[in-house]
Amino acid sequence: AQKITQTQPGMFVQEKEAVTLDCTYDTSDQSYGLFWYKQPSSGEMIFLIYQGSYDEQNATEGRYSLNFQKARKSANLVISASQLGDSAMYFCAMRDQAGTALIFGKGTTLSVSS
Amino acid sequence: GAVVSQHPSWVICKSGTSVKIECRSLDFQATTMFWYRQFPKQSLMLMATSNEGSKATYEQGVEKDKFLINHASLTLSTLTVTSAHPEDSSFYICSAKGLLSYNEQFFGPGTRLTVL
Repeated sequence: AQKITQTQPGMFVQEKEAVTLDCTYDTSDQSYGLFWYKQPSSGEMIFLIYQGSYDEQNATEGRYSLNFQKARKSANLVISASQLGDSAMYFCAMRDQAGTALIFGKGTTLSVSS
Repeated sequence: GAVVSQHPSWVICKSGTSVKIECRSLDFQATTMFWYRQFPKQSLMLMATSNEGSKATYEQGVEKDKFLINHASLTLSTLTVTSAHPEDSSFYICSAKGLLSYNEQFFGPGTRLTVL
């Protein structure tokens, strides 16, 4: 069975600093996709970044980058130059080979202070 | 990106009543829709997967007679919480996937249900 593990319940960072949110996964599939979502207090799920299991380069989207280490089964999210608006809950998720539902980790609450 | 709406955004009901939540894909045809449930400060838990025109597939532990899902068209799926009880109070989020969107799922804004 697939599993996503986020071991950091909460992270604190100052504005303009970089922060890494950890995510490890477990799957027996060869083809899979890894996602990061941001959920502010309003509850909406905001897609941040995607990494396919066959992608050789780490995905980047603006200030977000995904540190993909396939052998370690980790897909950490790096946010550079944190902003106050980055304060939210962050979820790592996986899509299985069938391309169906996303399985989510428990999430990490990020707090950015000035 | 594609837009998914949910209605209502929040609802308060009395114990024992039924509540219907709608999930609509506004600018694409959603061949598959997913329903998730989220308790405060917890993760999203998949409840069921629905494909247009067929019966929903429920995850283990989810009562299909309590959480009725209908996906009658390519743009609309509904979740009905029957005989709601306080323990059903939660945040319900749908997501939709189009025929060509292998990687992406588009999430609705969620519905907050409070059962008194």
